[in-house]
Amino acid sequence: TQLLEQSPQFLSIQEGENLTVYCNSSSVFSSLQWYRQEPGEGPVLLVTVVTGGEVKKLKRLTFQFGDARKDSSLHITAAQPGDTGLYLCAGAHNNDMRFGAGTRLTVKP
Amino acid sequence: NAGVTQTPKFQVLKTGQSMTLQCAQDMNHEYMSWYRQDPGMGLRLIHYSVGAGITDQGEVPNGYNVSRSTTEDFPLRLLSAAPSQTSVYFCASSGGGGTEAFFGQGTRLTVV
Repeated sequence: TQLLEQSPQFLSIQEGENLTVYCNSSSVFSSLQWYRQEPGEGPVLLVTVVTGGEVKKLKRLTFQFGDARKDSSLHITAAQPGDTGLYLCAGAHNNDMRFGAGTRLTVKP
Repeated sequence: NAGVTQTPKFQVLKTGQSMTLQCAQDMNHEYMSWYRQDPGMGLRLIHYSVGAGITDQGEVPNGYNVSRSTTEDFPLRLLSAAPSQTSVYFCASSGGGGTEAFFGQGTRLTVV
């Protein structure tokens, strides 16, 4: 059982659609991060959320941290083919960082 | 600025062989870690280190050894490779405490 559960596992949509992916846990995290990974590369940080209820926007991407700091969501508005990739959430756990299994997003032109 | 450098990028081993995956960072980060990535499993933590001379086990440590003799280097050793260790391995470094993790480009390891 993973510490962080991400859903959906796969998502395929058309360009211009909106989408939301989720990251849930029964544990409380001091901070939670979202990464994006492209084939053949390591993950790259998109955002870090720290405060319960926090909302951060990065162009068409909106990140929210749950009030109890156990879950997070990533909403993409008007998705573009360039958004295609694996989206991973990660939580600071004791002295280490744990990752979810990811949501693999495909945006078709 | 090189960031995190992993070598090799690809490796094929026979069952029972040993090898060391190299990882070096030039950001003076205290925290370094090794993950393996398998389809549908995301990144699973193998071992991590919070500073030179200090290492600890992650979620899936069996079959792997690490050491941290310097701040810059954090090699991962497979003593006797098994097919179950076929995976993509990533090294990461960060300032710790939930700060941004910087990843290497990965090592694709196949054990036959």
